[in-house]
Amino acid sequence: DQQVKQNSPSLSVQEGRISILNCDYTNSMFDYFLWYKKYPAEGPTFLISISSIKDKNEDGRFTVFLNKSAKHLSLHIVPSQPGDSAVYFCAASGEAAGNKLTFGGGTRVLVKP
Amino acid sequence: DTGVSQNPRHKITKRGQNVTFRCDPISEHNRLYWYRQTLGQGPEFLTYFQNEAQLEKSRLLSDRFSAERPKGSFSTLEIQRTEQGDSAMYLCASSLVTGSLNAIYFGEGSWLTVV
Repeated sequence: DQQVKQNSPSLSVQEGRISILNCDYTNSMFDYFLWYKKYPAEGPTFLISISSIKDKNEDGRFTVFLNKSAKHLSLHIVPSQPGDSAVYFCAASGEAAGNKLTFGGGTRVLVKP
Repeated sequence: DTGVSQNPRHKITKRGQNVTFRCDPISEHNRLYWYRQTLGQGPEFLTYFQNEAQLEKSRLLSDRFSAERPKGSFSTLEIQRTEQGDSAMYLCASSLVTGSLNAIYFGEGSWLTVV
């Protein structure tokens, strides 16, 4: 039972263009959502989060959008840079869900120069 | 650097041996988590502590696995009688829970290879 899904296993984008990563969840108890970036052989690095009381949160080149009715969130990276090439994980949490993170399967992003 | 620290970073062990991983969380964080990640998958929750109390364990955590956080600071994860299926990256994370939800920060991970 995958409560958090990232349906695109990979994404290729040209440097300078926008990267859009999508994530869907099923558990309505989730009310806090996070995106992590992971390089091989390293731990996930926190990027940005959003609470369910908001529908958008922006931090520099990263913006996360939340559509609660659709149980969908997305991460926009603009402009994309070669250093953004990594695996991106969506994660969901919430007090009613035990305050632990449930992760999606990840999307591998390749930014081409 | 005051991030989450894990050691050893890599461990190769023979099947049947015991291994122990250590995690030092960010100092002011009261919550500590253990996750496991295998290739091509997202991290999977194993267990977490609020201060020294272990509040939840996943069914993934068989009785060969034990985690402790004796003084509410560092934590250890021990795997007894390792099996090849235990080969994975073991991730520790910490957060400060204050009533509102805060980001969870991960360490670099400890790679386990069971041969």
